[in-house]
Amino acid sequence: NAGVTQTPKFRVLKTGQSMTLLCAQDMNHEYMYWYRQDPGMGLRLIHYSVGEGTTAKGEVPDGYNVSRLKKQNFLLGLESAAPSQTSVYFCASRPGTSGNYEQYFGPGTRLTVT
Amino acid sequence: AQRVTQPEKLLSVFKGAPVELKCNYSYSGSPELFWYVQYSRQRLQLLLRHISRESIKGFTADLNKGETSFHLKKPFAQEEDSAMYYCALGYSSASKIIFGSGTRLSIRP
Repeated sequence: NAGVTQTPKFRVLKTGQSMTLLCAQDMNHEYMYWYRQDPGMGLRLIHYSVGEGTTAKGEVPDGYNVSRLKKQNFLLGLESAAPSQTSVYFCASRPGTSGNYEQYFGPGTRLTVT
Repeated sequence: AQRVTQPEKLLSVFKGAPVELKCNYSYSGSPELFWYVQYSRQRLQLLLRHISRESIKGFTADLNKGETSFHLKKPFAQEEDSAMYYCALGYSSASKIIFGSGTRLSIRP
């Protein structure tokens, strides 16, 4: 099993450009999450999904959109990138079974917006 | 509102010395608490969770509801313990997790 994978690993965007980050998991997990990691601020939840076809806002959703058309994939979109979105983005997933709350993380995507 | 506080951004100790990484939380419900670790150039991974009361790599953490704390401890630090440590609180039936700002642990030889 590959676990949680993220594409791409690195990306540089100019202000105003758009892009989509792909997260894929092969563990048949129900829940998927997108976080951003910034120095001194830990990880902050952007959006999450509790199942195929569902999404919900997290702590810092502005400027991002997501889609979960297939259970194994969770896409994060930036429609018009801004320098404030320079960050490391992590995807995570976990089973939907009660009592198992461990989240499994991807390797991260480092995004720079100039 | 739920909150997780890690007061130390950086903790530097000598190899063989005891380690304590502090974590305090604020949550009105019954907390689900975790410690995650991120080694250099590796992905974030679960170190331990309070509900399992286990010891991983010599680390333990006890939930103190009276002090709303979940400090991470290890009696004798090893160089391979150098990493970024995040305390985390599960809420909303643990469908979501809120992370603290992290503590970078540096073990000096």
